[in-house]
Amino acid sequence: QVQLQESGPGLVKPSETLSLTCTVSGGSISNYYWNWVRQPAEKELEWLGRIYTNRKVVTHYNPSLESRLTMSVDTSMNQVSLKLYSLSAADTAVYYCARSRDDVNVFDFWGQGTRVTVSS
Amino acid sequence: DIVMTQSPDSLAVSLGETVTINCKSSQTLLYASNNKNYLAWYQQKPGQPPNLIIYWASTREFGVPDRFSGSGSVTDFTLTINNLQAEDVAVYYCHQYYLTPFTFGPGTGVHL
Repeated sequence: QVQLQESGPGLVKPSETLSLTCTVSGGSISNYYWNWVRQPAEKELEWLGRIYTNRKVVTHYNPSLESRLTMSVDTSMNQVSLKLYSLSAADTAVYYCARSRDDVNVFDFWGQGTRVTVSS
Repeated sequence: DIVMTQSPDSLAVSLGETVTINCKSSQTLLYASNNKNYLAWYQQKPGQPPNLIIYWASTREFGVPDRFSGSGSVTDFTLTINNLQAEDVAVYYCHQYYLTPFTFGPGTGVHL
């Protein structure tokens, strides 16, 4: 059974950079898309972007965040990472990583999420 | 971006009743080349991540009870829960994966 576990700081100051990691266990990180989805306070879900790795790395970012977002993958550690720059209070949310397959871009496995608060 | 809307915002039901949740997309989710609708439904309980229950508008994910069913095409979709059970109390989201950025509906809360 694939399991995903997000990790990162719970509190970040405005204007700083958020760094999150998703560790995947029980399966390979290759040949799947790894997505980041966030949810402010039990409200709407927002897809941030995804990363795919096989022999090359492919990323797709939400245009609304593209200028502030970077995703990367470490296949040796079975981890995907997210960096979100220039944080504001509007970035306060629970951040989830979720897997999707190439043939069906739905999110079939999710992490439990990590809560991030942006505050001074 | 494709905008997803849902109705109602929330509903109160009794055990054993049938629940109908509607989802509408701002543009077609039907891909002509394979005749598939790129629409999924998720269930989210408090403190938990969303859980996939339906994809391709009507295909149940493995392990999902058959009281859950999805229907609809193009821009109008429905999630139906027959014989509602206590464990079905949750927020339900529709999701389009036709185009990036992938987008979700605002959610429909189902409570007793």
